Amino acid sequence: SAVISQKPSRDICQRGTSLTIQCQVDSQVTMMFWYRQQPGQSLTLIATANQGSEATYESGFVIDKFPISRPNLTFSTLTVSNMSPEDSSIYLCSVDGLAGGGETQYFGPGTRLLVL
Amino acid sequence: QKEVEQDPGPLSVPEGAIVSLNCTYSNSAFQYFMWYRQYSRKGPELLMYTYSSGNKEDGRFTAQVDKSSKYISLFIRDSQPSDSATYLCAMSGTGGFKTIFGAGTRLFVKA
Repeated sequence: SAVISQKPSRDICQRGTSLTIQCQVDSQVTMMFWYRQQPGQSLTLIATANQGSEATYESGFVIDKFPISRPNLTFSTLTVSNMSPEDSSIYLCSVDGLAGGGETQYFGPGTRLLVL
Repeated sequence: QKEVEQDPGPLSVPEGAIVSLNCTYSNSAFQYFMWYRQYSRKGPELLMYTYSSGNKEDGRFTAQVDKSSKYISLFIRDSQPSDSATYLCAMSGTGGFKTIFGAGTRLFVKA
């Protein structure tokens, strides 16, 4: 399984500001994913980031609000722009992996964001 | 109707109890079924992985998939306080199918 780290682990931000979250993987991976996890809700996929191409965003998420970079096969960033209290959440990056003969996903520890 | 339904709990059991966690789903195209465990302030970690229908056992954990009923279960035998966590079911299909997660069930095992 891949080892994934995220920075920062948590932050408290003022509304209207932006925060960039970093995700580092210990091996080269083709696809990286960014999720949002709000209290009591399921993980929601924000976007898929492939190295060398534009990220693919899910319905309800746009590049202006959540710009993503994927400069190489082991690193990605997610920026939460012009933040509002509704952006308070846990943000998780993940990568595909193999388990039990099939594909699954492995997650980083998450970034807990509180917007005041 | 959500694609995946999971009772959020919380579920509180005494140490040593058998725990049953469940999810139902609506999309018959799902073929891969997973259970993740998430401790407080941590990311989800893969606990069990099952392809198609049937049972899979790993130590104290057993995962069951009933595709005819669109129902999956995770059983924890001899539950321990260290099993206290949120358990998320997840499922996906082939051909670039997205993974869909349940909302998670919070489990508390009391010593």
